[in-house]
Amino acid sequence: KNEVEQSPQNLTAQEGEFITINCSYSVGISALHWLQQHPGGGIVSLFMLSSGKKKHGRLIATINIQEKHSSLHITASHPRDSAVYICAVIGRGKSSGDKLTFGTGTRLAVRP
Amino acid sequence: ETGVTQTPRHLVMGMTNKKSLKCEQHLGHNAMYWYKQSAKKPLELMFVYNFKEQTENNSVPSRFSPECPNSSHLFLHLHTLQPEDSALYLCASSQDWAGGEAFFGQGTRLTVV
Repeated sequence: KNEVEQSPQNLTAQEGEFITINCSYSVGISALHWLQQHPGGGIVSLFMLSSGKKKHGRLIATINIQEKHSSLHITASHPRDSAVYICAVIGRGKSSGDKLTFGTGTRLAVRP
Repeated sequence: ETGVTQTPRHLVMGMTNKKSLKCEQHLGHNAMYWYKQSAKKPLELMFVYNFKEQTENNSVPSRFSPECPNSSHLFLHLHTLQPEDSALYLCASSQDWAGGEAFFGQGTRLTVV
């Protein structure tokens, strides 16, 4: 079992729909990343958060440290949002530089 | 544009070839990373450099050899690779290795034939 689990693995939505992607983790963390990976491979960091909620445009990320759970929401989804969304956590361990541990990603396709 | 540039974007190499991947960042970051992304698997950390010093080698085979000549440049030297090494290789940087926001390059899609 991975330390970071995402759901769903694949998601298809119609343009305009509200989308939620979930991330659960099993280790103590200092922060959590949401990343977006487009076809071709490049990864963009969307959010880094350690508590509460952050909003950027149509994207909202929330985290509940007690429940070890984070969600990424996309409002008014658009075909250009089609990508793989990856959750990654930064552990609290002193060794290895608190490296990122990644989920397997959620592949999102938004149809026009 | 994330500020992290990787070259080449695509690379096909034979098992007896020697090639190098290059990563460059001018964000003033002190930590740089190599990750491997294979199909249907999470990203795997390969190497971490902090202030040009290697702080992590995540049990990577010696056919992968990293080099960090300065804080802005990171190389991954490849030799006698296997077909199972075909993957997307991603470089990232962060202010330091203590878990700040990471910025990723576009990746190099490597195919070993």
